[in-house]
Formats: sequence, C-alpha cells, structure tokens
Amino acid sequence: QVQLQESGPGLVKPSETLSLTCTVSGGSIINYYWNWIRQPPGRGLEWIGYIYSSGNSNYNPSLKSRLTMSVDTSKNQFSLKLTSVTAADTAVYYCARLRLGEMIPEYWGQGTLVSVSS
Amino acid sequence: EIVLTQSPDFQSVTPKEKVTITCRASRGIASSLHWYQQKPDQSPKLLIKFASQSFSGVPSRFSGSGSGTDFTLTINDLEVEDAATYFCHQTDSFPWTFGQGTRVEIK
Repeated sequence: QVQLQESGPGLVKPSETLSLTCTVSGGSIINYYWNWIRQPPGRGLEWIGYIYSSGNSNYNPSLKSRLTMSVDTSKNQFSLKLTSVTAADTAVYYCARLRLGEMIPEYWGQGTLVSVSS
Repeated sequence: EIVLTQSPDFQSVTPKEKVTITCRASRGIASSLHWYQQKPDQSPKLLIKFASQSFSGVPSRFSGSGSGTDFTLTINDLEVEDAATYFCHQTDSFPWTFGQGTRVEIK
C-alpha cells in the first residue's frame, strides 16, 4: 500500500518561502504523477499543481508565478516551494498520487498545516 | 476556470435515510467529475470516479450519476459512519477545481 507523508515547517513568516516535501513509501515515485492540494482552515480544496516523475509539471495559474515543484527519484520524494507567502497561503497542504492513466488523486498524505504569520 | 457549485451546503439526516448531493459545473465537463469524502482531520477519500464509477472498496450504498454540467452523489441507507463533508472535483480542464463541499450530519 502506497503511503505519502508531508513534511516541512509549520510556521512561515510573511514574504518568505514555504517549502514542503512529500515522501513516498510502499511504491516507486517513477512513472507516476504527483499532486499538491491545499485547504485553508474551514474551507474547500484548492488544486496547486502536479509534477511527473520526469519533472514535467502543471501549475494552477493563480499560483504559477510563485510556485516551483521538483522531484528527487533517488529519495522517492517530491517537493513544493511557494515564494512571497501571505496569510492567504495558510492552509493544510496535501500531497497525493494521481491514479495511473486516469489522473485522479487516489492516495493522499495526512496533510500538514502551514501557518503564515509573523 | 470551471466553477463547481454543490448543493446543499449542509444536510442533517437520520440513519437509513437517502442523501442526494448535486454538483453543477459552470460549463460542460463530460464525465470528468469525481466525488470525495472527507471526515474531520482526515484527508479526502475517493468514492466515485468519472461521474458513476465506484472506486475499489467503497460501499455499494454510494453511487454517482450525471454528465455534462449536472452531477449527483447518492448515499442510500445512510450509516452513522457516513457523517462527513463531500466534495466534487473536476479534471476536465485546467486548473482543476473542487466544489465548496457539502457537510452531512447525522441526527
């Protein structure tokens, strides 16, 4: 059974960079698409973007200018960096694996809360 | 961007009742609409994919229908464990989007 675990700082200062890593266990990161989704407290879900194991990516245009995703196949990890954060970026951040051939988030991490505050 | 609007926002129901949640897309998305269940402090779990296909391991009381712009998630014989928020999600066009969620409470 594939498992995903998000990790990173729980508190980031405004204007700084939010960095998160998702570690995949129970399966290879290769030949899959990997997704980031976030959920502000008490609100709905927002798709951030996805990255393929080769590094090809697709970002939400609303975040594209501040967003970078990367993959480290040697560590079975993928990462997200979001620059110039504001309070509006406070959310639970989820990583997820997209279902092969169907591009649907299937396996999800537990999520990690990132708060943006000075 | 495709906007998904769910109704109702909240529903309070008794066990064994039938629950119907609708999701309307701002433009046609064929059948690229999926349903998730999220319980408090948990990550979402896939219930229905491509409008009507049940995901592996999901109880048969959950079913989906629709295509184009109007979709429905139905829960038959509601059980206490079905208390959760339900989201629809479209993968027809970028950026992918989600509905605002429907919270189902058990009376």
